Amino acid sequence: AQTVTQSQPEMSVQEAETVTLSCTYDTSENNYYLFWYKQPPSRQMILVIRQEAYKQQNATENRFSVNFQKAAKSFSLKISDSQLGDTAMYFCAFMNPRRPNYGGSQGNLIFGKGTKLSVKP
Amino acid sequence: NAGVMQNPRHLVRRRGQEARLRCSPMKGHSHVYWYRQLPEEGLKFMVYLQKENIIDESGMPKERFSAEFPKEGPSILRIQQVVRGDSAAYFCASSPPTQYEQYFGPGTRLTVT
Repeated sequence: AQTVTQSQPEMSVQEAETVTLSCTYDTSENNYYLFWYKQPPSRQMILVIRQEAYKQQNATENRFSVNFQKAAKSFSLKISDSQLGDTAMYFCAFMNPRRPNYGGSQGNLIFGKGTKLSVKP
Repeated sequence: NAGVMQNPRHLVRRRGQEARLRCSPMKGHSHVYWYRQLPEEGLKFMVYLQKENIIDESGMPKERFSAEFPKEGPSILRIQQVVRGDSAAYFCASSPPTQYEQYFGPGTRLTVT
């Protein structure tokens, strides 16, 4: 079974600094997707960034970028120029691509336990 | 394009009552997923539905829980005879048939007293 591990329960960073959140996963699949979701105090789940395993290039979205190491099964999130609004829980998630007629999990997300990030002024 | 809608946002039930949680996916999305989040935990997959079909319910408890996504109307997650351990936030997500990104609703916080 696939598992996702976030080894940092809590982290803090000064405003405008850079912080990296760690995520490792375990799978025997070769093709899959990885995501980072943000959950602010409002509890809304917001998609931050995604990565397709078949793409070697690391995904970037404005101040957010990932370091995807497929062989090491590592998928860390880097937040540059941290802002107060980045304060939230961050969840790493894994997904097998949807395969019709396949009896196992199809497209559901497997989440880590989360990292609570506090951005300090 | 409105996002994923869930209602109610907060639901309080006494032990033994039934809870019905509703989810309206984004326009054009025919795939719906339900997840449960216990306090201080990540989200756990419960069930994956397409219109009129349950595709994967491997994360759903075998008893008291059921889900449907009818041809017309929202998806419903139904919990019969609720117990205190059912208190959690329940999130619905939807995706279009040709993409893998899931977009989440705001969640329903269920409290069982």
